Amino acid sequence: GNSVTQMEGPVTLSEEAFLTINCTYTATGYPSLFWYVQYPGEGLQLLLKATKADDKGSNKGFEATYRKETTSFHLEKGSVQVSDSAVYFCAPLIKAAGNKLTFGGGTRVLVKP
Amino acid sequence: NAGVTQTPKFRILKIGQSMTLQCAQDMNHNYMYWYRQDPGMGLKLIYYSVGAGITDKGEVPNGYNVSRSTTEDFPLRLELAAPSQTSVYFCASSSGSNQPQHFGDGTRLSIL
Repeated sequence: GNSVTQMEGPVTLSEEAFLTINCTYTATGYPSLFWYVQYPGEGLQLLLKATKADDKGSNKGFEATYRKETTSFHLEKGSVQVSDSAVYFCAPLIKAAGNKLTFGGGTRVLVKP
Repeated sequence: NAGVTQTPKFRILKIGQSMTLQCAQDMNHNYMYWYRQDPGMGLKLIYYSVGAGITDKGEVPNGYNVSRSTTEDFPLRLELAAPSQTSVYFCASSSGSNQPQHFGDGTRLSIL
């Protein structure tokens, strides 16, 4: 079946540290891949996306590359800020599931000054 | 610049009560979705709609009902509230099935 696995949190970092959040998925075909971010008390916001193999999505200093061979879409940021503290969700959009988003469990990131 | 608007933001219900969670979007999106988010978990799809007059079940539809009489509105109905329905509910919309979804700020619902 279709599933998403992302690293469990919480991830606690100091400002300017490097952040990686791993995400792998199981799906037939080639889904579009999304990262959503949820700031405290808010709904989810689209952070970045990639729609085909080797595409790199980027936004707000975050990047993720669509790796077809490893079915992964790891999120990275070179230098985090306190304002990046949030919960991050990996979400493939799987055609075989009727083009539905399948959400990972979320990774809470806490950046300390 | 409203996007997706959900009301109420918070609600406490007693077991067996009913209520409707409201969701409205002003982006003329055909696709609308209801999710629930339990603590420490990802979102699970309850119901979705691909256009006015059309609704379909998601992953966890039991205990809920929806209607879509207009493009703008997609209310979610709980008929007999149960403690297992304590959760945060998010409504979302998109312009197409393979397009990014836009989320409301959520409704935090507690059933005691």
